[in-house]
Amino acid sequence: ETGVTQSPTHLIKTRGQQVTLRCSSQSGHNTVSWYQQALGQGPQFIFQYYREEENGRGNFPPRFSGLQFPNYSSELNVNALELDDSALYLCASSSLTTSFGLGTQYFGPGTRLLVL
Amino acid sequence: DAKTTQPNSMESNEEEPVHLPCNHSTISGTDYIHWYRQLPSQGPEYVIHGLTSNVNNRMASLAIAEDRKSSTLILHRATLRDAAVYYCIPRVQGAQKLVFGQGTRLTINP
Repeated sequence: ETGVTQSPTHLIKTRGQQVTLRCSSQSGHNTVSWYQQALGQGPQFIFQYYREEENGRGNFPPRFSGLQFPNYSSELNVNALELDDSALYLCASSSLTTSFGLGTQYFGPGTRLLVL
Repeated sequence: DAKTTQPNSMESNEEEPVHLPCNHSTISGTDYIHWYRQLPSQGPEYVIHGLTSNVNNRMASLAIAEDRKSSTLILHRATLRDAAVYYCIPRVQGAQKLVFGQGTRLTINP
């Protein structure tokens, strides 16, 4: 069973640019969530995708957007990068069922983004 | 979302038990108590969860107070590999997201 993978591992961008981060979910999982983790802080929920639709969003502006593909892989796009966007971006996959809701979340190793 | 209070850091020795406390006095009756940990340079990983009864798995034990306002994660015999930030997360069963606090940074001395 393949775990959650993310690419790239590290990225440097300048303020105002756009970035796309990628996540490959664990086999059999239909839901992907994205989190932002600033240095020294716990991860903060950005949004979740289920069956290619956004299924909930945290307190992040619209310049943070995402996609989920039929194979359940996902992208996180951030437009008009700001210095404060520098963080570790984590994706987590899980299974959402009608009986039990969202199960255990399995996290990838993250992409570290530095905005200069 | 229920608020949690955890010590910023704790230290223990290898092969000794470790008790990591968490206060969640505003927890609701339907919130499960989840614990995740984040090893250096990795994403968080699930450790254990419970509702009212104490729980055991191969990684750890979870002791939940009778009033459910606090819980303790127990690592029975710490190894160097257990050095990580441990997060206590109250969560409604099946809820969409995990709400992380600051967690406890656990250091294990050889």
